[in-house]
Amino acid sequence: GDSVTQMEGPVTLSEEAFLTINCTYTATGYPSLFWYVQYPGEGLQLLLKATKADDKGSNKGFEATYRKETTSFHLEKGSVQVSDSAVYFCALDENRGSTLGRLYFGRGTQLTVWP
Amino acid sequence: NAGVTQTPKFQVLKTGQSMTLQCAQDMNHNSMYWYRQDPGMGLRLIYYSASEGTTDKGEVPNGYNVSRLNKREFSLRLESAAPSQTSVYFCASGGQRVSNYGYTFGSGTRLTVV
Repeated sequence: GDSVTQMEGPVTLSEEAFLTINCTYTATGYPSLFWYVQYPGEGLQLLLKATKADDKGSNKGFEATYRKETTSFHLEKGSVQVSDSAVYFCALDENRGSTLGRLYFGRGTQLTVWP
Repeated sequence: NAGVTQTPKFQVLKTGQSMTLQCAQDMNHNSMYWYRQDPGMGLRLIYYSASEGTTDKGEVPNGYNVSRLNKREFSLRLESAAPSQTSVYFCASGGQRVSNYGYTFGSGTRLTVV
């Protein structure tokens, strides 16, 4: 079945460091891919998305490119800030055109950024 | 602001007590979902509803029941709470194009069962 595998955390970085959080997926067909962010004490918020191969999603300085050849959707940011400290979830939707969308989530990666 | 509203935000129950977690969305979304979030386990789907009047089990439905009262509201009921149900519960909704827009999540209910 469809699944998402994220790198295990926690990830601890100094401010202005480069961030990569790896995400790979298993799916039949052509899923849509998402990154969600969860700040402390809050619900999940959509950070960025890509709906087809080679698309690049971007938001708030974060980027991820949909790589079908490596079944990956790694999250990157060139210079992290303390305010980026959060849990990040990779997710996919089967994108089979049904009226019910079903997102499959990775286990989440905790990021802590120190000043 | 438009979105998904969950109540209550915090709750402490004694083992064996019952309670209902409420969820409402004002985005005219068809599908709604209940997840629980536990440390190291990520998000696990409890129940979902593809549309008003329909509900289906997710990965971890045991000990829970749901009601899709109307298109806006999707409630989760714990009939006899157990300590293993201590968790953070999230409700989410999805429109017709989940593959394009994903879900919208509520801010969660933190439940402790003692």
